[in-house]
Amino acid sequence: NAGVTQTPKFQVLKTGQSMTLQCAQDMNHNSMYWYRQDPGMGLRLIYYSASEGTTDKGEVPNGYNVSRLNKREFSLRLESAAPSQTSVYFCASSEARITDTQYFGPGTRLTVL
Amino acid sequence: QKEVEQNSGPLSVPEGAIASLNCTYSDRGSQSFFWYRQYSGKSPELIMFIYSNGDKEDGRFTAQLNKASQYVSLLIRDSQPSDSATYLCAVRAYSSASKIIFGSGTRLSIRP
Repeated sequence: NAGVTQTPKFQVLKTGQSMTLQCAQDMNHNSMYWYRQDPGMGLRLIYYSASEGTTDKGEVPNGYNVSRLNKREFSLRLESAAPSQTSVYFCASSEARITDTQYFGPGTRLTVL
Repeated sequence: QKEVEQNSGPLSVPEGAIASLNCTYSDRGSQSFFWYRQYSGKSPELIMFIYSNGDKEDGRFTAQLNKASQYVSLLIRDSQPSDSATYLCAVRAYSSASKIIFGSGTRLSIRP
């Protein structure tokens, strides 16, 4: 089992460019998440998907869109990248039972110039 | 007010001592609480979860929860240099079982 995979691992964009971060999990989890992590800021929730076909905003959704393509895949899109979106992006999945854990992907390091 | 608050540290503890990490949360209805460890440049990994008031022990780690005070802590006994990492507190929201909010993390350094 690969667990949670993310592509790409690194990306450099120019301001105004768009891109999609891909995430897939092979654990048959219902819930998936996108977080960003900036130095000293911990993990901030961007969007989450409780189940296939549903998405909800987290703490910092502005400038992002998401798609829950199927149970396995959850993508994050930046339509017009800004330098403030320079960050490390983590995807995670869980069963979302009361005591269940989140499993994280390796992260995507994004730089917007 | 942030939903989950932690002291950012760094917290420096001598090897063999007890490290104490604290976290407070604002959503009184929150039901589940998690501690994750994150090494530099790596993904977070779960250490413990707790959802009942009181203590929960797992090896050298003890999680403590006080829902009345909206406070959760992690104790690490017999601290080792390998415990040097950032420790993230996370809370599952009452409003949605799928919404999990993290604190900003506490950087722990174990000095030999």
